Amino acid sequence: SQQGEEDPQALSIQEGENATMNCSYKTSINNLQWYRQNSGRGLVHLILIRSNEREKHSGRLRVTLDTSKKSSSLLITASRAADTASYFCATDPGSGNTGKLIFGQGTTLQVKP
Amino acid sequence: KAGVTQTPRYLIKTRGQQVTLSCSPISGHRSVSWYQQTPGQGLQFLFEYFSETQRNKGNFPGRFSGRQFSNSRSEMNVSTLELGDSALYLCASSFRTSGSYEQYFGPGTRLTVT
Repeated sequence: SQQGEEDPQALSIQEGENATMNCSYKTSINNLQWYRQNSGRGLVHLILIRSNEREKHSGRLRVTLDTSKKSSSLLITASRAADTASYFCATDPGSGNTGKLIFGQGTTLQVKP
Repeated sequence: KAGVTQTPRYLIKTRGQQVTLSCSPISGHRSVSWYQQTPGQGLQFLFEYFSETQRNKGNFPGRFSGRQFSNSRSEMNVSTLELGDSALYLCASSFRTSGSYEQYFGPGTRLTVT
């Protein structure tokens, strides 16, 4: 079963614009992670934010976490055509002691050159 | 370090057959997790192995099984294949850092059941 829901399901923007994706989840978590997947290939880990963190940055990525609302957002600034991919949030519903992740349905991002 | 490798990359099987998929984790990673990805159900957790023991199991029938070897390489087996088993099977290896596991995924095995 899916832990999270992502919004929007699909997003189309022009190169240079910012892209924001949202993720909501149902149970308490140890951490939340964001992954990127290009065209049915393997997933690439982008960023991990722990339950006691509120915001994290990595290059052009900014992730926020609101545990009271059970939601997270991923912001990609100054998007590029190469950012075109599906983005998934994944939650660790345990105590951080196992490698089990529960994934959302994903947001498909298209960046037009 | 070399990344996670999965073999084979593509596989076509007939309903009723069985299949074995292989995953070699990143050197030093002791945890290997398997996921099934389909257009309808998305990414679903199958199971996780750590030090040759199954540590977590998802909600899949007993036809899906796995194992892990002493070198951390893992295999998963699906017996009596059904059409609905057609999917991308992803393996991820991970290590624990600062109280959390970051997972590194392989390219996947695309299984088609006809």
